[in-house]
Amino acid sequence: GQQVMQIPQYQHVQEGEDFTTYCNSSTTLSNIQWYKQRPGGHPVFLIQLVKSGEVKKQKRLTFQFGEAKKNSSLHITATQTTDVGTYFCAGEAGTALIFGKGTTLSVSS
Amino acid sequence: ETGVTQTPRHLVMGMTNKKSLKCEQHLGHNAMYWYKQSAKKPLELMFVYSLEERVENNSVPSRFSPECPNSSHLFLHLHTLQPEDSALYLCASSQDYAQATNTEAFFGQGTRLTVV
Repeated sequence: GQQVMQIPQYQHVQEGEDFTTYCNSSTTLSNIQWYKQRPGGHPVFLIQLVKSGEVKKQKRLTFQFGEAKKNSSLHITATQTTDVGTYFCAGEAGTALIFGKGTTLSVSS
Repeated sequence: ETGVTQTPRHLVMGMTNKKSLKCEQHLGHNAMYWYKQSAKKPLELMFVYSLEERVENNSVPSRFSPECPNSSHLFLHLHTLQPEDSALYLCASSQDYAQATNTEAFFGQGTRLTVV
């Protein structure tokens, strides 16, 4: 069945450093979505990418969708303590969303 | 407030109990989902309803039984659970199901279930 892999599983950074999480799908996706889950919270939608090679930005966050529509990345520039949480990618290929395991980001000041 | 409300927020039940989780969405969405989130696994899709019909058949034990009486409500009936079923159960809704757009998921806050 369709699988979505996400790396790394954990990442610790100093405040001000950059952070990147990568997502790879075993199948071509119609779209990919990114979610953030704060500790003790629930996943919250961040963004959706649909087009091959698409790049979208939200302030310090940059999202990319690969040319083959099988991989994606989320890059955070100059992390802040408010960025802590788990970032999930979720891919869709004609079925309901399949989530990656997530990358848990911790930030020390 | 996401527009998706789950009750109860916490539940402790014995292995012989029967309980139900409730989810209500106020967003006018056509699709609703149950996900299981445990410590060492990704969000596991359990059930999908689109326009009140169950549309995906994942490998979920029969001790979990979903019900979707209308487009705004979703239940998960639990009976004779095992300790390994302890997890966070998340309900979500989306405007549409399995489309290129309008599928962003809005999650409820979840029910933290402990089976003793």
